Amino acid sequence: NAGVTQTPKFQVLKTGQSMTLQCAQDMNHEYMSWYRQDPGMGLRLIHYSVGAGITDQGEVPNGYNVSRSTTEDFPLRLLSAAPSQTSVYFCATNGGGGANVLTFGAGSRLTVL
Amino acid sequence: EDKVVQSPLSLVVHEGDTVTLNCSYEVTNFRSLLWYKQEKKAPTFLFMLTSSGIEKKSGRLSSILDKKELFSILNITATQTGDSAVYLCVGLLNGQNFVFGPGTRLSVLP
Repeated sequence: NAGVTQTPKFQVLKTGQSMTLQCAQDMNHEYMSWYRQDPGMGLRLIHYSVGAGITDQGEVPNGYNVSRSTTEDFPLRLLSAAPSQTSVYFCATNGGGGANVLTFGAGSRLTVL
Repeated sequence: EDKVVQSPLSLVVHEGDTVTLNCSYEVTNFRSLLWYKQEKKAPTFLFMLTSSGIEKKSGRLSSILDKKELFSILNITATQTGDSAVYLCVGLLNGQNFVFGPGTRLSVLP
């Protein structure tokens, strides 16, 4: 059981470039989310989805797009990368109900020059 | 604004010491409080606390919640170097809304 798989693990971009962080889960969880983690700050929610075809903004959505065409996949797109988006990104899923515990992917470290 | 505060932000101890990590929260529609351990990768789940006064234990780690005073503590006894990590306190609010604290960085020296 792979759980939550994120790719790539590391990426360096130049300002203005675009890219997609991939997230796939095999736990059949309806809820998926993207967080960014910056030094000295807690994880902050970027976007989340409660099921295929449904997405919503979190605390820091500007500069990011998401889509959810299947239960398994929840890609995060950076449309025009900026140095302020240098961060570690985590995808997380949640089974909901009585098991309201986030399960995280391994993380993607993004550097924007 | 919903907020989770942790203290201390950083802590250095020696192997064998006992440590207490603190978490206080000011949130609306509180449901549960969770603790995670984060080493150099993804956070891993430790405990979920929903009821006041009921201690959760896992080996040398234990945690308890006080819903009246809005805080939780995470205790680690007989610390080992493998306990070195950032410990995250997370409030679960209504729906699936999680609010993260900044974390406590614990360093255990041999």
